[in-house]
Amino acid sequence: AQSVTQLDSHVSVSEGTPVLLRCNYSSSYSPSLFWYVQHPNKGLQLLLKYTSAATLVKGINGFEAEFKKSETSFHLTKPSAHMSDAAEYFCVVSEEGGGGADGLTFGKGTHLIIQP
Amino acid sequence: GAVVSQHPSWVICKSGTSVKIECRSLDFQATTMFWYRQFPKQSLMLMATSNEGSKATYEQGVEKDKFLINHASLTLSTLTVTSAHPEDSSFYICSARTSGWSGELFFGEGSRLTVL
Repeated sequence: AQSVTQLDSHVSVSEGTPVLLRCNYSSSYSPSLFWYVQHPNKGLQLLLKYTSAATLVKGINGFEAEFKKSETSFHLTKPSAHMSDAAEYFCVVSEEGGGGADGLTFGKGTHLIIQP
Repeated sequence: GAVVSQHPSWVICKSGTSVKIECRSLDFQATTMFWYRQFPKQSLMLMATSNEGSKATYEQGVEKDKFLINHASLTLSTLTVTSAHPEDSSFYICSARTSGWSGELFFGEGSRLTVL
């Protein structure tokens, strides 16, 4: 069985400071891991994905995440926050045959607030 | 990346009427699409799997007679909310996966349904 825990429901940072959104997962096999961003009243946009290649994954808009198997973590970071980063972020784990019929297990989301 | 389009983005209807939401894969064929419902400040909840040319598969607790799904072609799935009531008001999102299993789903922009 797979599960995802996003450790913070809300994160608030000042513009220009680093962002850290935490995600821990459990999975029976070798999962794929994703971070999606959702702006208000919009669908989910893929930021980055890990699929058993390089453990440090670079995504769009300056985001990156590091897959740490020993810690079962996949934290999302960005060196310098921008006002446009304010949104909801979802960590998702995927393995064939796992999760729901779509193979996905969603975290509950982290709401990122950017202070001017 | 692949593009999934949803229409309409916003819809307001009277209680007792039916509403149809379309989900199209614009640049790829999708034998399987997924429909989700998202309540305010919550993660996505998988409602059903839409299978091209066959009946949809519904998740436990989802009323198949309330939420009719039709997947008539490889690029189009529709969700019809029948006899809508205010409690059906929600954000509905579809997704599709390109051929094979890569784990990554492409999401539509979502449809906001408000039932008066």
